[in-house]
Amino acid sequence: GIQVEQSPPDLILQEGANSTLRCNFSDSVNNLQWFHQNPWGQLINLFYIPSGTKQNGRLSATTVATERYSLLYISSSQTTDSGVYFCAGAGGSQGNLIFGKGTKLSVKP
Amino acid sequence: DAMVIQNPRYQVTQFGKPVTLSCSQTLNHNVMYWYQQKSSQAPKLLFHYYDKDFNNEADTPDNFQSRRPNTSFCFLDIRSPGLGDAAMYLCATSRVWGEQFFGPGTRLTVL
Repeated sequence: GIQVEQSPPDLILQEGANSTLRCNFSDSVNNLQWFHQNPWGQLINLFYIPSGTKQNGRLSATTVATERYSLLYISSSQTTDSGVYFCAGAGGSQGNLIFGKGTKLSVKP
Repeated sequence: DAMVIQNPRYQVTQFGKPVTLSCSQTLNHNVMYWYQQKSSQAPKLLFHYYDKDFNNEADTPDNFQSRRPNTSFCFLDIRSPGLGDAAMYLCATSRVWGEQFFGPGTRLTVL
């Protein structure tokens, strides 16, 4: 079955610092998404990135499908970036997402 | 704006008292999903509808049922909630096996 692993599990940053979150996934994954879960529990779509590189403001993501990993970059972090970041993969004949355990990010002022 | 809406945002029920959670979408997506997320855990898929075709995950308890009366609406019924069913319930939609978009969730408390 599909496996998704995220690292690190926890990350504490000072405001303004940069960070990289990693997601490793199994061979059967062919769709990958990154989410930010806000304090109210809503999952906010960050990137839909089966392969390649995308950027959205201070955030960017790269997926290297041949090596089964994806990276989420956060630059010039702000306190509002705090929360849990999930990577989730889907594969096979259905689109069911399997989530990693998440990275809990805390940005201190 | 096209979106996924969940009602209510917070639901309190009593042990064993049936409860229904609602999800609607204006995205006109074929697929609708229900996920359960317990405290400090990742979301876990319960089931999904591809149009009217219902697909249950193997480990979803029988206590959980779903209905999709039309493209826009999908309901999660919990027939006899137990304390272990307290969680955030997330509805998502997608085009066929594409990017998924989530609603704000319903936080269920069981007393």
